[in-house]
Amino acid sequence: EAGVVQSPRYKIIEKKQPVAFWCNPISGHNTLYWYRQNLGQGPELLIRYENEEAVDDSQLPKDRFSAERLKGVDSTLKIQPAELGDSAVYLCASSLDEYLSYEQYFGPGTRLTVT
Amino acid sequence: GENVEQHPSTLSVQEGDSAVIKCTYSDSASNYFPWYKQELGKRPQLIIDIRSNVGEKKDQRIAVTLNKTAKHFSLHITETQPEDSAVYFCAASRGRGSTLGRLYFGRGTQLTVWP
Repeated sequence: EAGVVQSPRYKIIEKKQPVAFWCNPISGHNTLYWYRQNLGQGPELLIRYENEEAVDDSQLPKDRFSAERLKGVDSTLKIQPAELGDSAVYLCASSLDEYLSYEQYFGPGTRLTVT
Repeated sequence: GENVEQHPSTLSVQEGDSAVIKCTYSDSASNYFPWYKQELGKRPQLIIDIRSNVGEKKDQRIAVTLNKTAKHFSLHITETQPEDSAVYFCAASRGRGSTLGRLYFGRGTQLTVWP
């Protein structure tokens, strides 16, 4: 079984530029999460999707961050414009169904560096 | 929201010794407590989890204990090996529903096992 796939793995951009991250969850997993992990800290949730619906986006900085999961499978997280403080690892995770299984499986992450 | 505290931040042990990492949480409604292992530059991987209806769970050399009254849970690794060296994260959540299903992570413990 393939795991959660993310791309790109690394991204270096200048501040004020836009950037997008892509995630493909494990096949059949209805729930998708985007986390941000700052250096030396645990992951923090940005947004959670149940199929196409964003059910928890309270921690997403909506002035510059946006996300979509149009067909309930792949998802894209965008930052526009990026700021220096956005440098972090952006992790995508998926789980089978929040009511059937609590286990979350993480992708390898995208390491973003904003200069 | 939930607040998860994790101690110690670093832990060094000799190969073959035991390692214990402790976490406390603030939300008495939390009922799901996973532990993740993250090797340098890699994705967090679920190694064990426990739900609030049990006090202890064991899987080979790894065990987790939960004290709901005191709101703390611990990870125990016995007979440590150099390949156990990694950052370990604890987390807590209410397990399901809207913002309630969010995982709150501790800040992590860097475990180093010396041969």
